[in-house]
Amino acid sequence: GEDVEQSLFLSVREGDSSVINCTYTDSSSTYLYWYKQEPGAGLQLLTYIFSNMDMKQDQRLTVLLNKKDKHLSLRIADTQTGDSAIYFCAEGDGNNRKLIWGLGTSLAVNP
Amino acid sequence: DAGVIQSPRHEVTEMGQEVTLRCKPISGHNSLFWYRQTMMRGLELLIYFNNNVPIDDSGMPEDRFSAKMPNASFSTLKIQPSEPRDSAVYFCASSSNSEKLFFGSGTQLSVL
Repeated sequence: GEDVEQSLFLSVREGDSSVINCTYTDSSSTYLYWYKQEPGAGLQLLTYIFSNMDMKQDQRLTVLLNKKDKHLSLRIADTQTGDSAIYFCAEGDGNNRKLIWGLGTSLAVNP
Repeated sequence: DAGVIQSPRHEVTEMGQEVTLRCKPISGHNSLFWYRQTMMRGLELLIYFNNNVPIDDSGMPEDRFSAKMPNASFSTLKIQPSEPRDSAVYFCASSSNSEKLFFGSGTQLSVL
């Protein structure tokens, strides 16, 4: 069945760039999403990319999509302590609302 | 808008008791989702509604779980009887005809 995989932990220093990676299996995915979960809170949509795009930039966030390798990444430039959170990758076909979720990458930003 | 509102924020109960979780979606959203989050299994979709109608409940673990959406502004997830393995964070999310979900703050359920 469909699957989304992410590494579980990432630790960076404040001011460095963070790169969170995700691989997925469903080639019919239309949209790929990044959600952020801060401690004790629900998930919040950070950004998303349509499957016919290679890259999307939104301020400090850059999403790269390699559709051939089914690889998605989220780069956070100038990482701040407030970026410490769990980041979830998810894929969907745009129609049936059943997103396939990764287990999340816990990002720790050290001062 | 206040966002998706869930209650209670925390629930501690004893095994065998009935538990009812509540959700108020964002006004105007027509899709509502119930998710369960655990360390071992991550995020699991339990059920989702579209225009108050349950569309897919294949994620509901067993008959002890039931969900209702009597109107566009309210949904409940009930567990009866509850078991320790039901301990998790339960999230409600809503959306407006898309996969861009808005999540509530969750209910932390502990079944002793």
